[in-house]
Amino acid sequence: GESVGLHLPTLSVQEGDNSIINCAYSNSASDYFIWYKQESGKGPQFIIDIRSNMDKRQGQRVTVLLNKTVKHLSLQIAATQPGDSAVYFCAEKAAGNKLTFGGGTRVLVKP
Amino acid sequence: DGGITQSPKYLFRKEGQNVTLSCEQNLNHDAMYWYRQDPGQGLRLIYYSQIVNDFQKGDIAEGYSVSREKKESFPLTVTSAQKNPTAFYLCASKDKTSTDTQYFGPGTRLTVL
Repeated sequence: GESVGLHLPTLSVQEGDNSIINCAYSNSASDYFIWYKQESGKGPQFIIDIRSNMDKRQGQRVTVLLNKTVKHLSLQIAATQPGDSAVYFCAEKAAGNKLTFGGGTRVLVKP
Repeated sequence: DGGITQSPKYLFRKEGQNVTLSCEQNLNHDAMYWYRQDPGQGLRLIYYSQIVNDFQKGDIAEGYSVSREKKESFPLTVTSAQKNPTAFYLCASKDKTSTDTQYFGPGTRLTVL
């Protein structure tokens, strides 16, 4: 597969435990945030998004939390499964239609 | 079967040659984007287009060119002026009016020999 994320921070989690992936964003004017999951050799897959007028949003087994005071975004995955092993990226959108991506976090699920 | 397709999945070229990467979408999306991904780094924007016959440079446009003659197609040419072209290239598209969510294709891995 692709050699994506050779030097990425890694989160190791036991199968069945909850995972928390953190992301610090840079622009206080950003009004939209999104999390992607990328498996080796594939394109990023949309997980969940949130607008700046919210501080929490839940999906199926995932929750995104937004703390605008400290410009922090987190993704929580409940009951982590082996299929959740991937690289996770956050992205922010300020003015215009462009996203700015973070460097990514690799999640390794241990059986 | 709707979505974004990129071809080929793997591409090899010799130094000094131009190469064109294909991106096609049948989602009727207005906006399309090209990103480059290198190991240990996030995605970096090369070019984007919000409407047919119009496109803008992203953060790392030097050595690349694009065209947007059709709504469904946004090919990227990697020219010989790009000094370090070996990378994973990702195309994305977005419905301009209704959402900020970009959806990605499967990517093309370009290797310069």
